[in-house]
Amino acid sequence: AAGVIQSPRHLIKEKRETATLKCYPIPRHDTVYWYQQGPGQDPQFLISFYEKMQSDKGSIPDRFSAQQFSDYHSELNMSSLELGDSALYFCASSPATGQGAYEQYFGPGTRLTVT
Amino acid sequence: KNEVEQSPQNLTAQEGEFITINCSYSVGISALHWLQQHPGGGIVSLFMLSSGKKKHGRLIATINIQEKHSSLHITASHPRDSAVYICAVASYGKLTFGQGTILTVHP
Repeated sequence: AAGVIQSPRHLIKEKRETATLKCYPIPRHDTVYWYQQGPGQDPQFLISFYEKMQSDKGSIPDRFSAQQFSDYHSELNMSSLELGDSALYFCASSPATGQGAYEQYFGPGTRLTVT
Repeated sequence: KNEVEQSPQNLTAQEGEFITINCSYSVGISALHWLQQHPGGGIVSLFMLSSGKKKHGRLIATINIQEKHSSLHITASHPRDSAVYICAVASYGKLTFGQGTILTVHP
């Protein structure tokens, strides 16, 4: 069965550079969530999209932006990278959003290292 | 106090032992997820619960909505069960994660 795809899997950037992370949800899943997991920390919710519209926003820095495209894939754009942005970035997809209980399927993550 | 609290934070067991990981939460939720994370980072969803109990192989998850508490049980534990187990609660879709339980099962 198709899973959530994230690219790249590993990314090394220098401070003040920009990075773009991509997430391809499971086919027919219209909701994408982005999470950030710093070293030794719990994952933290960043942002989510439903039907190409932002549906919720968490602790996402202003230097980050994201969008969901017509094919439902999503991109997380990170500018002016800081050392503290080094983390594992997960995306997850689900078939819907809102108050319903829908399982989230996680991608393998992109490990971003800022030097 | 975190919205999602797990216990224990670290758990060591011998192969074959019965394991229980607990999760308490303090907010209203639409569902509770149990996740598994292996070294290297990938997260796998084990269960999503809104009520009652679910079983998958040697894994059992229960939730008590009134008490805002969930448990994950592993029967006949095996070294390949060694991983971080994370409880996460869903509210309007987005997940809030517990701090995880590091499980090590020795042969």
